[in-house]
This record gives sequence, C-alpha cells and structure tokens, in this order.
Amino acid sequence: GENVEQHPSTLSVQEGDSAVIKCTYSDSASNYFPWYKQELGKGPQLIIDIRSNVGEKKDQRIAVTLNKTAKHFSLHITETQPEDSAVYFCAARMYSSASKIIFGSGTRLSIRP
Amino acid sequence: DTAVSQTPKYLVTQMGNDKSIKCEQNLGHDTMYWYKQDSKKFLKIMFSYNNKELIINETVPNRFSPKSPDKAHLNLHINSLELGDSAVYFCASSQGRGNRNNEQFFGPGTRLTVL
Repeated sequence: GENVEQHPSTLSVQEGDSAVIKCTYSDSASNYFPWYKQELGKGPQLIIDIRSNVGEKKDQRIAVTLNKTAKHFSLHITETQPEDSAVYFCAARMYSSASKIIFGSGTRLSIRP
Repeated sequence: DTAVSQTPKYLVTQMGNDKSIKCEQNLGHDTMYWYKQDSKKFLKIMFSYNNKELIINETVPNRFSPKSPDKAHLNLHINSLELGDSAVYFCASSQGRGNRNNEQFFGPGTRLTVL
C-alpha cells in the first residue's frame, strides 16, 4: 500500500540556521503533498502544501520542493527561530482515494538558542 | 471561535470499559475524520465521513464505531477498551471529499489512557 517515509526523526539546529526535512512516497499517482506542524499538546496544523504540477513553493521562511520523478519532497526552513521547535509531518494524498492522506512518521525539530 | 473541538481532552479508564469521544466542527465542512496518534507520534487515519456517509474505514477493530448524527459532528465509540488503545485521538475536518486539495483542520486531541 501507500507509504510515506520521513527523515530524520529528530533534528537539532542552531537558531538562525536552516533545517531540511525529507520525505519519499511510494504511490506515483499521489498529487498533493501537505506539511503539518504539531506543537506540544496541540493538533497538527497545515503550514504549507504543494501540488504535483508545481516543483517548488515558498512562503516567507518556509519552502517546499517536489521531485515527481524521484518521488521525493522536502521542507526547508530558513533563519530558524525558537518557535519553529515542534514535530513536523509530511503527507501525501493518495489519488486512488478521495480523502485519504498518508502521513510520514514525523520529525522532531529542536532549535538551539 | 471557529474550530474543531473535542471532548474530553483527557480520558483515563479501566480495561474492558466502553467510552466515547465527541467531536464537533463549526467550519461548515462536509468531511470529518478520526486519526490515532501512538506514543511514537505515528498519525494514522481510522475513519472518514462525508455528509454523514462513511467513506474511509481503515483496518481497525470492530470495537471502534464512529457515529455521525449530522455533518458537524463525528463521535467515536470504543467498546471493551484494551491497553493498546491508549493513544491520542484527533478529530479533523475538511471542505469537500478531498478530491480537491483541501486542508484538514485538526482538533486539540483526546489523550486516552487505558489502565
């Protein structure tokens, strides 16, 4: 079945540096890739998403890239700040199922002051 | 506040009991979901309803039964609770069935602990 793999599971970066989280997906027909941020004690919240007809999307300090051929997509956070500390999930929507989104295993990002 | 709300936030119960978690969204969305997040943070979909119709039913034990009285509510009833049911359960909603790229809005979660 559909699978989304996410790396690394934990990531610690110095405040002000960049953080990169990478994901791969198995269903080549997947066409929508959201990224969610989960803060402690809260539900996941969408921070950025990308569709399969776009290779890159940017929103202020956050950017996502998609390589459909390799079935890879990545989240880039620049100029990291303490409030970026959270668990980040990548996800892929299965084309074969109208509503089903498969989540990666999560990356716990810590920003060192 | 417009949001997805869940009750209770914490639920501690004994093995073998039956419990329910309630979810309500006032966003006017058509589709609602239940997810289970285990201790390792894996987030897995369990059920999805669109306008009170079940559209996703993952391989979960029959002890779990979702009920949608209307499109703004999706409750989760769990019979004969087991230790392995301990997890955080998230309700979510989205506009449409998801055949468009619709954001899912998550509730704050219900932490279920089975003793």
